[in-house]
Amino acid sequence: RKEVEQDPGPFNVPEGATVAFNCTYSNSASQSFFWYRQDCRKEPKLLMSVYSSGNEDGRFTAQLNRASQYISLLIRDSKLSDSATYLCVVNSDTGTASKLTFGTGTRLQVTL
Amino acid sequence: DAMVIQNPRYQVTQFGKPVTLSCSQTLNHNVMYWYQQKSSQAPKLLFHYYDKDFNNEADTPDNFQSRRPNTSFCFLDIRSPGLGDAAMYLCATSRERVFRGKGYTFGSGTRLTVV
Repeated sequence: RKEVEQDPGPFNVPEGATVAFNCTYSNSASQSFFWYRQDCRKEPKLLMSVYSSGNEDGRFTAQLNRASQYISLLIRDSKLSDSATYLCVVNSDTGTASKLTFGTGTRLQVTL
Repeated sequence: DAMVIQNPRYQVTQFGKPVTLSCSQTLNHNVMYWYQQKSSQAPKLLFHYYDKDFNNEADTPDNFQSRRPNTSFCFLDIRSPGLGDAAMYLCATSRERVFRGKGYTFGSGTRLTVV
């Protein structure tokens, strides 16, 4: 079983739609969680951190359910510029080092 | 402006010919990481340096080596590239090895083609 699992997509949605991505992780000792965005042939860039209380940044809302080991990202009012791959990332701390584990990403294509 | 710089952006090498990718940082971060990302796959950690302390991931092939001559620079050496080593190689830095927050800064990557 992969440490971080995501539906690879692609999700094809019209502009203005709301879309949700999910992610599950296997290491119950993981401490912090992130969503990264990666454009084609570019490096991953941090989109937002994910907290148990849920957090929002403009049109983006992230949620963490530690009991179910489940992370979600909701994008409202999708824009063409949101087209990218969204990587779910989990940070595990061994005490001497943090280790980021990436999911394979969910590809989003927003169309006119 | 770029804080983690990778050179070159694109590298073509011949099968079996040693190749070196470079990464430099202006952040004075203690930790530098090398990731390999193949097409449609997750970035996979190869190794990291904490200061001069080298930490290899258990499943990183011996074909991959790294050097960190000073705080600012880190190199990835592929001794005998195979076709399966074609990938995007990402360098990242963090201030410390243990972090709970945002932590990472990525370079723009080097896309390696093996012919």
